[in-house]
Amino acid sequence: DADVTQTPRNRITKTGKRIMLECSQTKGHDRMYWYRQDPGLGLQLIYYSFDVKDINKGEISDGYSVSRQAQAKFSLSLESAIPNQTALYFCATSGGGSSTDTQYFGPGTRLTVL
Amino acid sequence: QQQVKQSPQSLIVQKGGISIINCAYENTAFDYFPWYQQFPGKGPALLIAIRPDVSEKKEGRFTISFNKSAKQFSLHIMDSQPGDSATYFCAATRFMNYGGSQGNLIFGKGTKLSVKP
Repeated sequence: DADVTQTPRNRITKTGKRIMLECSQTKGHDRMYWYRQDPGLGLQLIYYSFDVKDINKGEISDGYSVSRQAQAKFSLSLESAIPNQTALYFCATSGGGSSTDTQYFGPGTRLTVL
Repeated sequence: QQQVKQSPQSLIVQKGGISIINCAYENTAFDYFPWYQQFPGKGPALLIAIRPDVSEKKEGRFTISFNKSAKQFSLHIMDSQPGDSATYFCAATRFMNYGGSQGNLIFGKGTKLSVKP
């Protein structure tokens, strides 16, 4: 089984709808991240969490919220989806205690907002 | 503000050739430079990384060259193979112990590599 799983893998929704993307990991890592990938723009950090009680905004957090339900679960929510949030979303985890620890990415969720 | 600039955006190389992807960074505090490889339909995965105390790191056919004075680093793929076809992201960060936004990875925009048979 994959160490980092994301559900759903694909989602089509309409403008204004609330949507939640879920991430689970079995690596036992404390740090979890949500990234957005757009063609030609690379990976941009949305939110990150160092543990269940420590959640931080990344560079593009507007329009998004997160919840760290447990060490192994980190959810990303779009309260009112808009078309420019159409993108590929990745969850990642890292262990250890420093910024240079390897990040392990999930397979991604392709989100389309109509 | 783009702190890591990556080029080219796309690259086509013949099988057996050398693929070269370049990155430049602005923040002199960066001291860890990883490369991630992403195959279609998959998440990125760490390929190779370098710290500025060395000018080159080699792992198999993959080599990172680092030029601290120029604030540039590059990925060389020797004897490129069709299986190397993927998107490559360079990244940079500053070593930080637990906590601190300054330790987050800053990614380049990616290079899509196609290796032709």
